[in-house]
Amino acid sequence: GDSVTQMEGPVTLSEEAFLTINCTYTATGYPSLFWYVQYPGEGLQLLLKATKADDKGSNKGFEATYRKETTSFHLEKGSVQVSDSAVYFCALSDVLGGGADGLTFGKGTHLIIQP
Amino acid sequence: GAVVSQHPSWVICKSGTSVKIECRSLDFQATTMFWYRQFPKQSLMLMATSNEGSKATYEQGVEKDKFLINHASLTLSTLTVTSAHPEDSSFYICSARWDRGYEQYFGPGTRLTVT
Repeated sequence: GDSVTQMEGPVTLSEEAFLTINCTYTATGYPSLFWYVQYPGEGLQLLLKATKADDKGSNKGFEATYRKETTSFHLEKGSVQVSDSAVYFCALSDVLGGGADGLTFGKGTHLIIQP
Repeated sequence: GAVVSQHPSWVICKSGTSVKIECRSLDFQATTMFWYRQFPKQSLMLMATSNEGSKATYEQGVEKDKFLINHASLTLSTLTVTSAHPEDSSFYICSARWDRGYEQYFGPGTRLTVT
C-alpha cells in the first residue's frame, strides 16, 4: 500500500538557519504530494503541493520539488523564523493509482525554532 | 480560507458508553468529509470517507459498527464511537472538501479519553 516516511523530530534550529525536512514515499500510481503544517491548537493547513514529477510547490518561503526518480518531496526553507515552529506533515493522495480518496500521512516532524 | 470546526475539542467517557463527535464546515458546503485517527507520535490514519447522503466508505481494519459515521447534510458529519473502550482513546480529526480535486480543510481535532 501507499506510505510516507519523513524524518522524525523534534528538529531544533536557530532563527535564520536553513531548513530541510526529508520526505520519501511509496505509491502504486502517480500520486499528488503535499506538505501540511499544524500550529499549536490549530487544525492542519495546506502549506504547498505538487501534482506531477518535477513540479515545485512553494508558499511562505517554503519549497518542495516532486522527485519521481528518488520518490522524494523534501521541504526546504532558506531562513526560518520563530513563527515557523510547528508540526509539519508530508502526505500523498493516490486516487488514480487505486488508493483511498483521503490522504496518506507521514508521522509528522516537530520543528522548533529558537531565537 | 475555509473553516472546519469539531465539537467537542476533548471528551472523557467511561468504558462501554458511546460518544459522538461533530464535524462542521462553517463557510462552505462539503460534499465529502474524511475522518482520521492519530495516535501519539504516529501518522494520521484515514478511517473513513463520507459523502453527503450516502453511506461512508471505511478503510480496511476499521470497524464500521463501532465507528458510526453520518453525513446528513453538506455542512455536518458525525462520528459516533459506540461501546467505547480504553484502546479507542485517541485524537480524532476530520476534514472537509467541497468537491473532488479541491483542497481538504481540517478541523482542530477531538481528544477522546476512555476510562
